[in-house]
Amino acid sequence: EDQVTQSPEALRLQEGESSSLNCSYTVSGLRGLFWYRQDPGKGPEFLFTLYSAGEEKEKERLKATLTKKESFLHITAPKPEDSATYLCAVQADRETSGSRLTFGEGTQLTVNP
Amino acid sequence: DADVTQTPRNRITKTGKRIMLECSQTKGHDRMYWYRQDPGLGLRLIYYSFDVKDINKGEISDGYSVSRQAQAKFSLSLESAIPNQTALYFCATSDAERSGNEQFFGPGTRLTVL
Repeated sequence: EDQVTQSPEALRLQEGESSSLNCSYTVSGLRGLFWYRQDPGKGPEFLFTLYSAGEEKEKERLKATLTKKESFLHITAPKPEDSATYLCAVQADRETSGSRLTFGEGTQLTVNP
Repeated sequence: DADVTQTPRNRITKTGKRIMLECSQTKGHDRMYWYRQDPGLGLRLIYYSFDVKDINKGEISDGYSVSRQAQAKFSLSLESAIPNQTALYFCATSDAERSGNEQFFGPGTRLTVL
């Protein structure tokens, strides 16, 4: 059974204080690992897809990295508008394209001004 | 994502009532999904559809049914609602040919069953 564990559950940062969120996963063959951002009362917003160990992707203050067992979402010099819940999900390579994502429970990030 | 819309956005109903949640998309994607989100349990897949003629059960399909009326429309029904179906429901779409495997979510429907 595929599993995704995110840590910490909640993280409070001061504006400008860089940190990382962790996503540990167990899957029998990884097709892709996905990061989403979710604001309160809204649907998840797609951020990144990572396909293989060693891959990195960046978007503004966010950088996602991938190893064979975990992914990190690095937040550099965060701003209050980065406050949200960040979700990680995996898709196994046994799944036909575009199906079945297994999600973690998310990390709730708060950035104080 | 404005390209994926859900109606209603909020619904309060009573135990035993039949409820339909609707999802429409203008992204031109062929694959559509229904998830529910509960505190402490994350997002869980209810049903998914690869095209109008292809419907598949997800991990928690009991008590739910779906209808894919057109490529752009995917409805979720609760035949006889029960309180533990109180949750946030999200519709999502994807198209591996054009955008890889990422899924794009609607704004959600908050359902409360009393």
